[in-house]
Amino acid sequence: KAGVTQTPRYLIKTRGQQVTLSCSPISGHRSVSWYQQTPGQGLQFLFEYFSETQRNKGNFPGRFSGRQFSNSRSEMNVSTLELGDSALYLCASSLPGTTGANVLTFGAGSRLTVL
Amino acid sequence: SQKIEQNSEALNIQEGKTATLTCNYTNYSPAYLQWYRQDPGRGPVFLLLIRENEKEKRKERLKVTFDTTLKQSLFHITASQPADSATYLCALGPNTDKLIFGTGTRLQVFP
Repeated sequence: KAGVTQTPRYLIKTRGQQVTLSCSPISGHRSVSWYQQTPGQGLQFLFEYFSETQRNKGNFPGRFSGRQFSNSRSEMNVSTLELGDSALYLCASSLPGTTGANVLTFGAGSRLTVL
Repeated sequence: SQKIEQNSEALNIQEGKTATLTCNYTNYSPAYLQWYRQDPGRGPVFLLLIRENEKEKRKERLKVTFDTTLKQSLFHITASQPADSATYLCALGPNTDKLIFGTGTRLQVFP
């Protein structure tokens, strides 16, 4: 079956712009999580959506937002981009609750460069 | 605050040897611990999960231990191969909540 698909794979923006990233989870997976990965900080949790509801949120400013649609596809948006937002943004889907443990299947990521 | 540390940024070993990676955590009581592998330009891939009441898990050449008293997990790759070269991430989580990742250890296996 198809894996987690993230689009776009690469994008370049300038400071002050906004960006929207998309994630299509594995069919049947209802939970989608977003992580930011940078060389210095590693993977930092952004938020998790389950059945169109934000279930968990990380310690990121309000410029970072997301949503999930009824087909489980998810988008995240970053407004007023800053240089420090340059990172690899990873989306992961899972079937929470089946084993009590949240095993994630990641997409290849969206590489954002802010100039 | 919760903190996860992986023993080193990089680990270089010779092919055929056993690679041992360490994951230590503080201020946290996870219900389970996971290990992921990440290759350059790709997302992490799940390898193994071990629960708090389990001491050891094995999968082919991989072995994971979990010591909740020491707050430490060890990840072993036996008979390592150059194809095992990648970054390995540990992740901790309670049930149905977000996973917290370590910063990873970059393993390089030389022929």
